[in-house]
Amino acid sequence: KAGVTQTPRYLIKTRGQQVTLSCSPISGHRSVSWYQQTPGQGLQFLFEYFSETQRNKGNFPGRFSGRQFSNSRSEMNVSTLELGDSALYLCASRAGGPQETQYFGPGTRLLVL
Amino acid sequence: DQQVKQNSPSLSVQEGRISILNCDYTNSMFDYFLWYKKYPAEGPTFLISISSIKDKNEDGRFTVFLNKSAKHLSLHIVPSQPGDSAVYFCAAAAFGNEKLTFGTGTRLTIIP
Repeated sequence: KAGVTQTPRYLIKTRGQQVTLSCSPISGHRSVSWYQQTPGQGLQFLFEYFSETQRNKGNFPGRFSGRQFSNSRSEMNVSTLELGDSALYLCASRAGGPQETQYFGPGTRLLVL
Repeated sequence: DQQVKQNSPSLSVQEGRISILNCDYTNSMFDYFLWYKKYPAEGPTFLISISSIKDKNEDGRFTVFLNKSAKHLSLHIVPSQPGDSAVYFCAAAAFGNEKLTFGTGTRLTIIP
């Protein structure tokens, strides 16, 4: 099976702009989670979607939003970008259950200038 | 509030020796723990997990130990190999909650 894919891999934006990141899960996986990784902070959970519904959310401001489509592909949007949003954004998929292994994509590195 | 802590940002170990990576947690609701390994420019890769009903789980060179009373888990790699050089993250989840809480990672360097 193909792994989790994320596009684009690298992105440069300026403050105030918005950005949309895309994630295609492993075929058959219905759950997609998003994480933000910054130096010294580890991976911070953003949100999780399952069958097009958000079923869990982390402690991020409303500027961070997401959605999932009927084919399980997911997008994450960040509006009004701030310098502190510069990070590696990781997407992970799993088949469904909470204790099933999450498989991560390579991430999208976002740089906000 | 860091509920999962990896207090050692880095660790260097001689090739062939044992590598021990540590992780502490504060949330007593956590009952499932995982270790992920991450190479630069790649996403984390699942390594090994343990449920709170066990105190040890082994997979080849990798063993995870869980001490629930101390809220502590550790990952042992024996023998350590150069390819083990990576950042290791521990993560925890509570039953029925899909959210994984990660530690900040430990960079392991295996010295040939």
